[in-house]
Amino acid sequence: RKEVEQDPGPFNVPEGATVAFNCTYSNSASQSFFWYRQDCRKEPKLLMSVYSSGNEDGRFTAQLNRASQYISLLIRDSKLSDSATYLCRTDSWGKFQFGAGTQVVVTP
Amino acid sequence: GAGVSQSPRYKVAKRGQDVALRCDPISGHVSLFWYQQALGQGPEFLTYFQNEAQLDKSGLPSDRFFAERPEGSVSTLKIQRTQQEDSAVYLCASNLAGEQYFGPGTRLTVT
Repeated sequence: RKEVEQDPGPFNVPEGATVAFNCTYSNSASQSFFWYRQDCRKEPKLLMSVYSSGNEDGRFTAQLNRASQYISLLIRDSKLSDSATYLCRTDSWGKFQFGAGTQVVVTP
Repeated sequence: GAGVSQSPRYKVAKRGQDVALRCDPISGHVSLFWYQQALGQGPEFLTYFQNEAQLDKSGLPSDRFFAERPEGSVSTLKIQRTQQEDSAVYLCASNLAGEQYFGPGTRLTVT
């Protein structure tokens, strides 16, 4: 079992709708959490850090649930340009783990 | 430059050849990471440097893989006697306060 797991999707989302997905991690010592987006054949780009209290950046909201060991990403008012693969990353005492990504496809 | 750069962007190697992949991190970033990303997978950690010190190489898949960063800036990932399973995108990232910034990657194809 991988230490960081994501639903691969694809999540097909009508433009303007809301989509949310999770990333579960097995290492309870994980300390830092991040969301990245990756476009096809491009490098991952940092989307946002995930704080214990949750955080919001425009249409994107990230939450951390330490008790259940998952982080979530919610995208409101989806745009066509949000179509991408969303990767989560956890850090645990210098061990950096990425999930395999969740593909989101926003349709007109 | 403003971001992480990597070269070459694409490399085709015959099985058994040695390859060297270069990474120029963001100026001032002391931490540098190498990842391997296979198609449809997330980046898999290979190794990590802080300045010139290689602090973790636990992700290197075999002793054919070797990384160095002799002066604490540019890093080179070397793969000896390449095998077909080495075909992947090799990503370099430099790190500031936990936030990693990736280079465009080197797509290695071993034929």
